[in-house]
Amino acid sequence: ETGVTQTPRHLVMGMTNKKSLKCEQHLGHNAMYWYKQSAKKPLELMFVYSLEERVENNSVPSRFSPECPNSSHLFLHLHTLQPEDSALYLCASSRAAGGGDEQYFGPGTRLTVT
Amino acid sequence: GQNIDQPTEMTATEGAIVQINCTYQTSGFNGLFWYQQHAGEAPTFLSYNVLDGLEEKGRFSSFLSRSKGYSYLLLKELQMKDSASYLCAVRSPRDSNYQLIWGAGTKLIIKP
Repeated sequence: ETGVTQTPRHLVMGMTNKKSLKCEQHLGHNAMYWYKQSAKKPLELMFVYSLEERVENNSVPSRFSPECPNSSHLFLHLHTLQPEDSALYLCASSRAAGGGDEQYFGPGTRLTVT
Repeated sequence: GQNIDQPTEMTATEGAIVQINCTYQTSGFNGLFWYQQHAGEAPTFLSYNVLDGLEEKGRFSSFLSRSKGYSYLLLKELQMKDSASYLCAVRSPRDSNYQLIWGAGTKLIIKP
């Protein structure tokens, strides 16, 4: 238990569906992250929020839309995804964005796009 | 370009010692992390090195040489529960102060 929770843990969706991934951290951290993890590939950073402001957006397709309503919650809204978007989506938080602070990861959402 | 290299897979015997290497080529350096990830679980933090030398933490140690762009994670007295992937990540502030550059991970298999 890392103090970061994610729901749902598994999600199967069609290419025309709209769904949202939720992340919540109970650590009092100020930074939150979305990562994509595909098999045998490095973690890909998608978005970074610091104090609820988006500070990094790594050329992610617009079919992924993040939302950070407060420093404890982070959402990833999904729409018209492609099969290649199937992956493990990890949320993480840290005390601050940048620097030497370790990131605490949630268990991830295993997404399958059919 | 930015590049992190780690072996894809390693095998070791319970009770032995194993060293997992990580080499990096980045346009800047502001620290190197090691994380452990068991299959189907979240990565968990193991160590952070920003200065050259060896950092010891129980059975795990991490070494850094900035001049060589090299780090290793040393695991002693291996246990079956150490079977996991080990991820190396570098912070490169010249491109972004928020982004870690990640290796693809080394899958460590422990045999009895």
